[in-house]
Amino acid sequence: GIQVEQSPPDLILQEGANSTLRCNFSDSVNNLQWFHQNPWGQLINLFYIPSGTKQNGRLSATTVATERYSLLYISSSQTTDSGVYFCAVESAGKSTFGDGTTLTVKP
Amino acid sequence: GAVVSQHPSWVICKSGTSVKIECRSLDFQATTMFWYRQFPKQSLMLMATSNEGSKATYEQGVEKDKFLINHASLTLSTLTVTSAHPEDSSFYICSAARGNYGYTFGSGTRLTVV
Repeated sequence: GIQVEQSPPDLILQEGANSTLRCNFSDSVNNLQWFHQNPWGQLINLFYIPSGTKQNGRLSATTVATERYSLLYISSSQTTDSGVYFCAVESAGKSTFGDGTTLTVKP
Repeated sequence: GAVVSQHPSWVICKSGTSVKIECRSLDFQATTMFWYRQFPKQSLMLMATSNEGSKATYEQGVEKDKFLINHASLTLSTLTVTSAHPEDSSFYICSAARGNYGYTFGSGTRLTVV
């Protein structure tokens, strides 16, 4: 099946810093989503981005489908940004998740 | 926006009992729903794909007789963990496909079997 790799696995930032999270996938995909899982386990959809670039406030994402990767940018990070960020790709009618990036933003 | 409601949020049960988890799409119809399992500090693993009106499709290694999935209507899918044991303790999450809008996830159910 398709492989999804996220990097870095862990990231510690000072409040106000910027960061880039990466998601590589091994095969062509129909769709790609970025999620934030908060400390209570709830998955929040950040972006549905099979290709191109999208922005939502301090967050933006870019997917280059032809090169099989996606990037999530977080600017001016806040402590509430802490949690695990997952990318999930859809292929053959099902979603496969990466292992996630655990982000810790320190005040 | 589209909402998927999952209940209960957490449940504690005794070994040998069964637990039912519900997943409802509140403002859209979901012909396909998915059930995931997540162990602590790990990623989400797809357990099964639930299609309205037909049998669920289980991923390799998932016991279909232990994890019973029923998708009786376009807005409701249920996962029943039968004869639960401590090793079934986990975080279970459902999601519903929304065509070109990706997947919407429920808030998850934390199951603890004692």
